[in-house]
Amino acid sequence: EIVLTQSPGTLSVSPGDRATLSCRASQTINTFYLAWYQQKPGQAPRLLIYGASSRATGIPDRFSGSGSGTDFTLTISRLEPEDVAVYYCQRYGSSLTFGGGTKVEIK
Amino acid sequence: QVQVVESGGGVVQPGKSLRLSCVASGFSFDGTAMHWVRQAPGKGLEWVAAVSYDGSSKYYGDSVKGRFTISRDNSKNTLFLEMNSLTTADTAVYYCARVTATTGYWGQGTVVAVSS
Repeated sequence: EIVLTQSPGTLSVSPGDRATLSCRASQTINTFYLAWYQQKPGQAPRLLIYGASSRATGIPDRFSGSGSGTDFTLTISRLEPEDVAVYYCQRYGSSLTFGGGTKVEIK
Repeated sequence: QVQVVESGGGVVQPGKSLRLSCVASGFSFDGTAMHWVRQAPGKGLEWVAAVSYDGSSKYYGDSVKGRFTISRDNSKNTLFLEMNSLTTADTAVYYCARVTATTGYWGQGTVVAVSS
């Protein structure tokens, strides 16, 4: 069973600065099956990135994904106040595996 | 446009049962697997169960195996989750989701609260 570990647990970033979120898998993942979601309070998760690096429809280009093998990264290039949320990485398959989440807050 | 709408949540006593439903629209429901994912208060996302496009294959998370049953009615574009022997640990928002390698559509969730 693959385990996804996200770090840090909480990230405090000033508006306009870069936020870098990490997702580490316990074993190699096909990049095609790695996604990132954003969840704001009281809302359902929203798909940001699929295939490790492809932006979903309507997602601003300040969001980017990278990585392969066991190490994946979500980068928010210039943090906006509306980006305050919890971010989850997810492995897709017959089952879904989620990381524990990284909470992004404004410094 | 893709839409999934859950219903059936509520307050239920420990040991009782509840059946959740999810009506889908805007995509070929009978051509895709469907998932249930839950989120306990203040916690992260936990995958619960999945069913193949035709209902022939079903998969469950360890915490619900033997107690929950996922099913679907493709003639009504509806997904179900039958939950038995509920415990307080099952208290959560339950999301219906169409998740593929390239897409992710989630409903707004339905709240299940298990309490005496």
